[in-house]
Amino acid sequence: AQSVSQHNHHVILSEAASLELGCNYSYGGTVNLFWYVQYPGQHLQLLLKYFSGDPLVKGIKGFEAEFIKSKFSFNLRKPSVQWSDTAEYFCAVIHMDTGRRALTFGSGTRLQVQP
Amino acid sequence: GAGVSQSPSNKVTEKGKDVELRCDPISGHTALYWYRQSLGQGLEFLIYFQGNSAPDKSGLPSDRFSAERTGGSVSTLTIQRTQQEDSAVYLCASSRTDYTGELFFGEGSRLTVL
Repeated sequence: AQSVSQHNHHVILSEAASLELGCNYSYGGTVNLFWYVQYPGQHLQLLLKYFSGDPLVKGIKGFEAEFIKSKFSFNLRKPSVQWSDTAEYFCAVIHMDTGRRALTFGSGTRLQVQP
Repeated sequence: GAGVSQSPSNKVTEKGKDVELRCDPISGHTALYWYRQSLGQGLEFLIYFQGNSAPDKSGLPSDRFSAERTGGSVSTLTIQRTQQEDSAVYLCASSRTDYTGELFFGEGSRLTVL
């Protein structure tokens, strides 16, 4: 079965610290990859996406993610976090070879940024 | 509307009762998804619609769960004979197509079964 692993369940950082959230997926075929974010009290929204091409993708609010096919990974990074980045972050994958059209999500990482 | 709309936002019910949750997707979006988010868990896929048909119902946890979509728009998720383990936030999402995975989510319907 398809699966997505997010290694960090809860991360606490101080403002200006660098962030890296890990994400690994189980399938080796063609994938579209996503990071979604859920700010407190708000709905899930897309942070960034990878379909093809440059494996380093940039999203909103200074976030970026790198697709490393050999490692089945799509880690999220930000050089300097802000208090407003406090949120829950979900990695997700859709496997384009299988015909299944539903995103598979990881269990999420709760990021708490302390001022 | 501008976004995905879900109702009710909050539902408290007694064990054994039936509940209906409604989702109004973004106009023109052909794909519609239902997910469930339980405390401390990720998003659990339930069912996906393309138009009015449901090519993938593999995530429905039991035959107490059903969903329909009419007119290629509004969808209703029905849970019969609710159990306490059904308590969760039920999320609806829509997408312009079904092959990119770029979803727009609603605020969710929080279901509490007493």
